[in-house]
Amino acid sequence: DTAVSQTPKYLVTQMGNDKSIKCEQNLGHDTMYWYKQDSKKFLKIMFSYNNKELIINETVPNRFSPKSPDKAHLNLHINSLELGDSAVYFCASSQRDDRVVGTQYFGPGTRLLVL
Amino acid sequence: GQNIDQPTEMTATEGAIVQINCTYQTSGFNGLFWYQQHAGEAPTFLSYNVLDGLEEKGRFSSFLSRSKGYSYLLLKELQMKDSASYLCAVVDSNYQLIWGAGTKLIIKP
Repeated sequence: DTAVSQTPKYLVTQMGNDKSIKCEQNLGHDTMYWYKQDSKKFLKIMFSYNNKELIINETVPNRFSPKSPDKAHLNLHINSLELGDSAVYFCASSQRDDRVVGTQYFGPGTRLLVL
Repeated sequence: GQNIDQPTEMTATEGAIVQINCTYQTSGFNGLFWYQQHAGEAPTFLSYNVLDGLEEKGRFSSFLSRSKGYSYLLLKELQMKDSASYLCAVVDSNYQLIWGAGTKLIIKP
């Protein structure tokens, strides 16, 4: 069974559209994350979320919003897509015990191309 | 500001040994991770250091010196499948992960 899964794996869309990427983890972890990896391969954290707090990277535009229907899911919704949003988006999860950052398990990534 | 430095790219020969360095300046320190990322794939966990010293795991070892703000990942008996990017990440005083830009390792026969 896949520990962290994301859908879709590939997403090609037009500028201005709104899209969502789904993420699910079956590891029982309490914290989930969204990362953006651009063409230079730099991994940038966008959000971290557990049932207690949402931590947002201040540099992330408010067009990006995480939505968590339950502990095992953290979806990423993007409004008004722009060319610069083209990147690979990774979902990850970990178990944070007493504020210790646990090992992060990554999903396979969603390759977003905005035309 | 917080900063993690790694070489952008390294080249090594199959069967040899390579050391990938990582230096960091962060607001506090609560551990350091190394991840491996093959092209087109997700990062996968390699090692975690929170105390000074060397942690060995098969062909891979990771070293930490907190006083120097320095870590390295040592890969022995290199194989072609070790061609990948290696990411250093530090947990800061707010228990947030700060990621380096990664080192692309190229293995030649």
